[in-house]
Amino acid sequence: SQQGEEDPQALSIQEGENATMNCSYKTSINNLQWYRQNSGRGLVHLILIRSNEREKHSGRLRVTLDTSKKSSSLLITASRAADTASYFCATEARGNYKLTFGKGTLLTVNP
Amino acid sequence: DTEVTQTPKHLVMGMTNKKSLKCEQHMGHRAMYWYKQKAKKPPELMFVYSYEKLSINESVPSRFSPECPNSSLLNLHLHALQPEDSALYLCASSQPTGGNTEAFFGQGTRLTVV
Repeated sequence: SQQGEEDPQALSIQEGENATMNCSYKTSINNLQWYRQNSGRGLVHLILIRSNEREKHSGRLRVTLDTSKKSSSLLITASRAADTASYFCATEARGNYKLTFGKGTLLTVNP
Repeated sequence: DTEVTQTPKHLVMGMTNKKSLKCEQHMGHRAMYWYKQKAKKPPELMFVYSYEKLSINESVPSRFSPECPNSSLLNLHLHALQPEDSALYLCASSQPTGGNTEAFFGQGTRLTVV
């Protein structure tokens, strides 16, 4: 069963706008990670936030984690057409190396 | 070298064929994974190897047989597959140092079973 649930399932915005994607999960985690996938090929790791962290930044990316609500959000600022891709959250369970992916958000950035 | 290399990139096989997917990494990672991904769906975990030993099998049918010959290589042997097994098969690796490490993914093998 899938741990994470992304919201929205699809998001279409104009270049320069910000994009926010949300992820909810159900069990205790070591960390939560966000990945990007272009056109059904390999996944690229974007950012990892540990269970004891609340916010993390990397370039135009900002991730928040609320363990009390079991939710996370990914903000991409000043989006570009090249950001068009599917974005997945993934949770690493406590006690093993099992990385479980959510359903993903398909982001389309229109030039 | 931060790459995970998967071969072949594409594979078409009949239901009576035996084939193997290969995955290689030289990052010194000691955890390696196989995921299956159907179109417009998230990756689903199949197997996890930790220090060359199978640690997780997500109730995968026996027609899929993983093998980890050494710390750099991971194979997935396929036999008597069904058309519904057609999917993108992704290999990944990470450093199992108590968790909190990113996984590196290969570009995948797109498998079609006819």
